[in-house]
Amino acid sequence: NAGVMQNPRHLVRRRGQEARLRCSPMKGHSHVYWYRQLPEEGLKFMVYLQKENIIDESGMPKERFSAEFPKEGPSILRIQQVVRGDSAAYFCASSPLPFLNTEAFFGQGTRLTVV
Amino acid sequence: ELKVEQNPLFLSMQEGKNYTIYCNYSTTSDRLYWYRQDPGKSLESLFVLLSNGAVKQEGRLMASLDTKARLSTLHITAAVHDLSATYFCAVEGRGTSGSRLTFGEGTQLTVNP
Repeated sequence: NAGVMQNPRHLVRRRGQEARLRCSPMKGHSHVYWYRQLPEEGLKFMVYLQKENIIDESGMPKERFSAEFPKEGPSILRIQQVVRGDSAAYFCASSPLPFLNTEAFFGQGTRLTVV
Repeated sequence: ELKVEQNPLFLSMQEGKNYTIYCNYSTTSDRLYWYRQDPGKSLESLFVLLSNGAVKQEGRLMASLDTKARLSTLHITAAVHDLSATYFCAVEGRGTSGSRLTFGEGTQLTVNP
């Protein structure tokens, strides 16, 4: 049973381009969480999704950021028109149930660099 | 809004010494996690603490939880170089539509020979 898979591991984008980050949860997990880690900081919650539904997006910036978790395929975090301040490590975690009832497992992260 | 504070943020210690990292949080929570992160890596789960008075130990690390004081500690016994990493505590809090983890700022631990 593979762990949470994120790709790409490293992504370099020029300012103004789009970044697409993918997260394949562990088998049997239907809950996905995205977190952002700025350099030298802790992880900040962005969004919580279940299959085909956004449950809590209170941590997402209002503009340029969007997330989805379709019925088939990985969860996608999309950042449009990237700026230097978007440079960070983006982690996703998955769980079979909401956090309340079980532990979530983190992927290796995607390190986004905006040049 | 749930706030989680760790201290110290930076810790340099000699091998063989003992030390404690503290994690305070601001509102009632059902569970608390400790994670380890090596540079450029993901988070490795160390402990999950579920109830008041919970104590868990793994090797040279021991974690405890006092829900009344809203405090968790991570105690390091006889530190070795391999423990050098950043340690995060994370507290489960109820968001508007479900639960989520709120992380502390992390404690960057360096163990010197």
